Amino acid sequence: DIQMTHSPFSLSASVGDRVTITCRASQSIRTYLNWYQQKPGKAPKLLIYTASNLQIGVPSRFSGSGSGTDFTLTISSLQPEDSATYYCQQSYTMPWTFGQGTKVEIK
Amino acid sequence: QVQLQESGPGLVKPSETLSLTCTVSGGSISSSSYYWGWIRQTPGEGLEWIGSIHYSGSTFYNPSLKSRVTISVDTSKNQFSLKLSSVTAADTALYFCARRFENGYSHMDVWGQGTTVTVSS
Repeated sequence: DIQMTHSPFSLSASVGDRVTITCRASQSIRTYLNWYQQKPGKAPKLLIYTASNLQIGVPSRFSGSGSGTDFTLTISSLQPEDSATYYCQQSYTMPWTFGQGTKVEIK
Repeated sequence: QVQLQESGPGLVKPSETLSLTCTVSGGSISSSSYYWGWIRQTPGEGLEWIGSIHYSGSTFYNPSLKSRVTISVDTSKNQFSLKLSSVTAADTALYFCARRFENGYSHMDVWGQGTTVTVSS
């Protein structure tokens, strides 16, 4: 199985800060990489698909980049409602696998 | 707007079979572009993809669970179902159903709210 590794495990930032989360795959997955946001007690919500495509309805402060093994999710200006755990997921080969997540907290 | 809703027992005894159903509303399950699947989440293991099914009946399972998993679809009811046999405490989790868009690339764009299943005697 392809292992997905997030860094950092968690972070705390202020409203308005630029936040970057990294996800690394254990092998090349080209751009078969999706990002999800999950708030406590809720289902994951798709933010970014195929590494850099913004899902309809997702604020433009979210962006994704990367290919191969290294990917980033960037929040350009952190908002209070962005407090959540963010997961990457590879769809290059089955079984689809998720990272362990990065928890983003607001200072 | 497509919505998914999981249903099924919240408590299952060890060695028995876990059965969950996901009802699709606001759209048809019989769309060639989508697969319908199950994912579970535990504090220790995180998010784990269980498997998915196309309305045509083709299925894909996680090899780690394949020997115990069956996913089926009922197009007349716009539902799909999960059966996980011989459950243990390790199968205690929050179970989600989700729609997967597939066009060579794939992503899970619609999720149910999730249902907690506890395995205990």
